[in-house]
Parts: sequence; C-alpha cells; structure tokens
Amino acid sequence: QSALTQPRSVSGSPGQSVTISCTGTSSDVGGYNYVSWYQQHPGKAPKLMIYDVTKRPSGVPDRFSGSKSGNTASLTISGLQAEDEADYYCCSYAGSYTLVFGGGTELTVL
Amino acid sequence: EVQLVESGGGLVQPGGSLRLSCAASGFTFSSYWMSWVRQAPGKGLEWVANIKQDGSEKYYVDSVKGRFTISRDNAKNSLFLQVNSLRAEDTAVYYCARFRGRTDFDYWGQGTLVTVSS
Repeated sequence: QSALTQPRSVSGSPGQSVTISCTGTSSDVGGYNYVSWYQQHPGKAPKLMIYDVTKRPSGVPDRFSGSKSGNTASLTISGLQAEDEADYYCCSYAGSYTLVFGGGTELTVL
Repeated sequence: EVQLVESGGGLVQPGGSLRLSCAASGFTFSSYWMSWVRQAPGKGLEWVANIKQDGSEKYYVDSVKGRFTISRDNAKNSLFLQVNSLRAEDTAVYYCARFRGRTDFDYWGQGTLVTVSS
C-alpha cells in the first residue's frame, strides 16, 4: 500500500493546459480501471473531479479530463482558470477492497 | 442536502484512545458504504477504512489494522472510528466520506483534528 507517485507541483498560465501524472504499479493503477481525482483548496475538504479514470461527476467542467496508460493515470486541465489553483490527488483501487492515494500535486496558476 | 459532520477529535497522549463520530444527513445513510480518510498536517490524503451498508464488511489500511475500528449505527445515521494505541504518526485531520464504491468518495465532511502528543 505505497502511495502513488505524483509530481510535487505543476504550473500554467490562464488559458493553458496542464497535465498531472499519477504513477503506480500493476497492482493498483495498472491493474484496474478505477482511478479517481480529487481537488482540494486550502482548508477545505476534497472534491471528486474524475472517477473511473475518465468520467466526470455532474457539475464538474469539461475542462477536466482523465486518462490512463499502463501504470500511469493522468489528469488534464485545459483552459486554466484562477480557481483551478489547488492541490490535486489521484486515488486508485489496490485490490482486496483497499485504496491508495497519490502524494498530491500543487497546481499554481501563474 | 448531503451533510457529514465529524466530531470527537482532540489532543491525546501516545498510546491513548479516541472515538470519532460522523453525523450524516440529507441521504439514506443505510444505503451507502462509508469511509474515513485522513490527512496529516501539510501532507497528502490517506484512505483509512471502509464499512459496508450493514456493517458486515470492514476494510482497513495496513498501518491501522488492529488499532482502529470502524463501525456505524444506521438507526442514528452515524459513523464511528475507534482509534486506539495512538502514535504520533496518527496525527491528522480525519474526514468522514460517503463511498460510492471503486474509488469514489462523493461527499466529505469538514474533518476533525486528532493530535497525538505528550
């Protein structure tokens, strides 16, 4: 149950696109199509942004998209906006009804 | 409106115990799995435990097995986490979350802070 690997920080200018990676193993990310992404603003609870690798909950802008290749999942945010500045966490199913999160990525909108 | 409100956190000495509670409202509590997720100060999220709708299945992260116990009272729309043998590394904000399955936590409380220190 080791944490998934995410870049510590990424940045982009308004209107640009950024991609956050989430690398695991064949026992978690690579073994199941069960990866979700959470957005967390400072002092707030996390918010579900993507589930089942690519699906968006109702109310989440279509600027947010997810994908997966092998043991790495990715979150892409296009048309960056100031309010997207937050921490982002991936989460994967890891078998035997257990879950594992990534270490988190701080997104800065320049 | 779905609401999850945690309580029960506080300062406790190493080796001590606490019982965290989560009061749920705005949805049919007995129809959902529920979870606890924690976040150490300045650190990332860590899944702690899940419990099935009727409490018959419970799953834990390895680091808390044998020390933490998740439970629920569907009649009172409440979720609990009994935390025993606390260590400094258990210091965190503990979030209650509604679990839709797979990796989907769709509603979260605001968290309760547990600080383990002498």
